[in-house]
Amino acid sequence: GDSVTQMEGPVTLSEEAFLTINCTYTATGYPSLFWYVQYPGEGLQLLLKATKADDKGSNKGFEATYRKETTSFHLEKGSVQVSDSAVYFCALTRGGGGADGLTFGKGTHLIIQP
Amino acid sequence: DVKVTQSSRYLVKRTGEKVFLECVQDMDHENMFWYRQDPGLGLRLIYFSYDVKMKEKGDIPEGYSVSREKKERFSLILESASTNQTSMYLCASSFLSEQYFGPGTRLTVT
Repeated sequence: GDSVTQMEGPVTLSEEAFLTINCTYTATGYPSLFWYVQYPGEGLQLLLKATKADDKGSNKGFEATYRKETTSFHLEKGSVQVSDSAVYFCALTRGGGGADGLTFGKGTHLIIQP
Repeated sequence: DVKVTQSSRYLVKRTGEKVFLECVQDMDHENMFWYRQDPGLGLRLIYFSYDVKMKEKGDIPEGYSVSREKKERFSLILESASTNQTSMYLCASSFLSEQYFGPGTRLTVT
């Protein structure tokens, strides 16, 4: 079945460091790919998405590119801030279409130190 | 803004009790979902619904049931709560493939 693999962390960085969180997937068909973020005590918020190969999703300085040849969707940010501390989830649409929900990775806990 | 609300943020129940978790969305979305979130396991899909009175099993439906009598409301039911159902429960609704999540209910079963 479909699956998502991401580095689990915790990942600890200093403020203004470059961030990469790796995400690879296994899926049938042509899923859409997502990054969600969960701040302490809150639900998940959509951070960015990409719906087809070579699409780049971006938001709040974060970027990820849908790489079909490497089945990857790595999250990057050039200069992280303390406020970026959160848990980040990579996800894909189940069954390709999305109406069946999402398959999530296990989450990466990111800690940014001042 | 899409708003998904869940009836409780924190809930403590005893083993064997019947538990109802309620979720309401205000954007007229067709699809609604229940996930549970556990450390080291991420989010796992319990049940989802395409429409009123429709329901589909996700990856871990055992021990749970759902009810969708109105489009905006999707309830998760634990028929007889057990300690291994202690978890964070997240409800979501979706437009196309993009999902919008509620704040979650942290359920503790003692």
